[in-house]
Amino acid sequence: DIQLTQSPSFLSASVGDRVTITCRASQGISSYLAWYQQKPGKAPKLLIYAASTLQSGVPSRFSGSGSGTEFTLTISSLQPEDFATYYCQQLNSYPPSVTFGGGTKVEIK
Amino acid sequence: QVQLVESGGGVVQPGGSLRLSCAASGFTFSSYGMHWVRQAPGKGLEWVAFIRYDGSNKYYADSVKGRFTISRDNSKNTLYLQMNSLRAEDTAVYYCAKDNLDYGDLLYFDYWGQGTLVTVSS
Repeated sequence: DIQLTQSPSFLSASVGDRVTITCRASQGISSYLAWYQQKPGKAPKLLIYAASTLQSGVPSRFSGSGSGTEFTLTISSLQPEDFATYYCQQLNSYPPSVTFGGGTKVEIK
Repeated sequence: QVQLVESGGGVVQPGGSLRLSCAASGFTFSSYGMHWVRQAPGKGLEWVAFIRYDGSNKYYADSVKGRFTISRDNSKNTLYLQMNSLRAEDTAVYYCAKDNLDYGDLLYFDYWGQGTLVTVSS
């Protein structure tokens, strides 16, 4: 099974900072990767899919890049509402399955 | 607007059964694949199961295969998860989620319900 490893698992940053989160796949997954944001007590929210496609309604300060085994989520200028936990997710066609990364918690410095 | 509302969670003893429901509205339910995803208290997300828009394909995580069954009733716009032989490690908030593209087969999740808590404990 394909594993996803996110780094860092915890990140302390200030409003206005540029933040980068990495997700590494244990084998190549082309561009079948998404990023989600989850706030405490809430359901996750889709930010990016197909590695770099911004979901409708998501602010342009969020961007995704990468393919194969290494992917990044970048927040260009961290806003107060961005403090949350972020998860990457991959799709596997054989066997059909979905895997999430372990999460990255972004907290206020 | 898209709404997904889960129900059916609760406390159940180990070895017991529970059926979760997810009522969908605001989109053409019969055109979209649907998923169940769970999150144990204080832990990360774990995908549980997927069903294709027409029910023709169903996929499961290894951790629930043989114990859980996903199904849907397109006439009632409702998704189900039948959970049997429950274990303590199945304790989690269970979310239903919708595929982001229609007529697909295992895609990304663009809308999620608010979740329903399942607690397996004696």
